Amino acid sequence: AQKVTQAQTEISVVEKEDVTLDCVYETRDTTYYLFWYKQPPSGELVFLIRRNSFDEQNEISGRYSWNFQKSTSSFNFTITASQVVDSAVYFCALLDPGANSKLTFGKGITLSVRP
Amino acid sequence: GAVVSQHPSWVICKSGTSVKIECRSLDFQATTMFWYRQFPKQSLMLMATSNEGSKATYEQGVEKDKFLINHASLTLSTLTVTSAHPEDSSFYICSARQPGEQYFGPGTRLTVT
Repeated sequence: AQKVTQAQTEISVVEKEDVTLDCVYETRDTTYYLFWYKQPPSGELVFLIRRNSFDEQNEISGRYSWNFQKSTSSFNFTITASQVVDSAVYFCALLDPGANSKLTFGKGITLSVRP
Repeated sequence: GAVVSQHPSWVICKSGTSVKIECRSLDFQATTMFWYRQFPKQSLMLMATSNEGSKATYEQGVEKDKFLINHASLTLSTLTVTSAHPEDSSFYICSARQPGEQYFGPGTRLTVT
């Protein structure tokens, strides 16, 4: 069975602080995809990144960076120099490929960035 | 990127009535669409998987007679909440699948009074 654990439920930081959101996953598949989504108060899910299981390179996109480590089954997300607009719920998700494969979501982390 | 729309974005209905929510993939054909439900401060829970031209596959605990799903074309899936009750009030999100990608609609907020 697949499982995504986001142990942190709520994080509050002051603007300009760096913050790391943790994600640990479980799967028996050797091929899979990992995602991060942002859900602002409006509710619409915003896609942030997709990483396949064969690509362990870390990725940086502006203030965002992701650290994928298969050895620890983790896919952590770091926001550098956080801003108030980063306040949202962040979901990590796992997808196994194949017909009708399902996206498994973690419980989400509520990030509050205070001015 | 691919766009998925939902209509309506919000709806208020009376208990006992039925509500239909549409999900459209605007610039691609989606053989598979998914319906999720999200209660306040909770994660997205998959309700059902919808394949074009065939019956939907419901997750355990989801009543198929209450949540009717129709995937009539490669760009449209509908979710009908029949005989809605206040406990059905939730945020309903659809998504459409392309190989290796899954695109989400903006969601529909349903309030049953």
